[in-house]
Amino acid sequence: EADIYQTPRYLVIGTGKKITLECSQTMGHDKMYWYQQDPGMELHLIHYSYGVNSTEKGDLSSESTVSRIRTEHFPLTLESARPSHTSQYLCASSDIRGSSFGSGTRLTVV
Amino acid sequence: QQQVKQSPQSLIVQKGGISIINCAYENTAFDYFPWYQQFPGKGPALLIAIRPDVSEKKEGRFTISFNKSAKQFSLHIMDSQPGDSATYFCAARATSGTYKYIFGTGTRLKVLA
Repeated sequence: EADIYQTPRYLVIGTGKKITLECSQTMGHDKMYWYQQDPGMELHLIHYSYGVNSTEKGDLSSESTVSRIRTEHFPLTLESARPSHTSQYLCASSDIRGSSFGSGTRLTVV
Repeated sequence: QQQVKQSPQSLIVQKGGISIINCAYENTAFDYFPWYQQFPGKGPALLIAIRPDVSEKKEGRFTISFNKSAKQFSLHIMDSQPGDSATYFCAARATSGTYKYIFGTGTRLKVLA
């Protein structure tokens, strides 16, 4: 059982609202990631972090932002949600053996 | 630019059969190749992984075969079971300590009872 937690699991929100997706891990991993995934489709890296105060954008352009103030916490924020942001967002952390994923947040912007 | 190509996109196998999923990569700097299994509504879970200095790794019914010269690796699921029905992703890790993973496009496996 992976010790990485994402909240909320599901979120339906109106256009223009600000949202924060939470991600926490208890494994002490320095590396953390956010992926965007449409159901059953490939994973697109949108943000990653090497450690506290270190964040970089991933391969897929995203209007979201992230912060890493504590090792265990890696929240993702959308300042103004749009229908095009509707997707599943997966948080992960990794060590030398590979990545552990959370169960994801399914975001729907109406 | 897709750096890890995965095939097939979908696969149907009879119970007890062998499921084979293939991946090919371009970047010779990749140093670690994990496979992930994802069930609907869940995040991917690490299944098995291999380093490029090993040609094969087996864990239970799951085997990775690795061909460094061809830059290809594959997942074999022996005695496939309906419970193996899931989406499988191969991945490759870039070196330089970033632990940045490039994922394949996924293979949706269905094992018929």
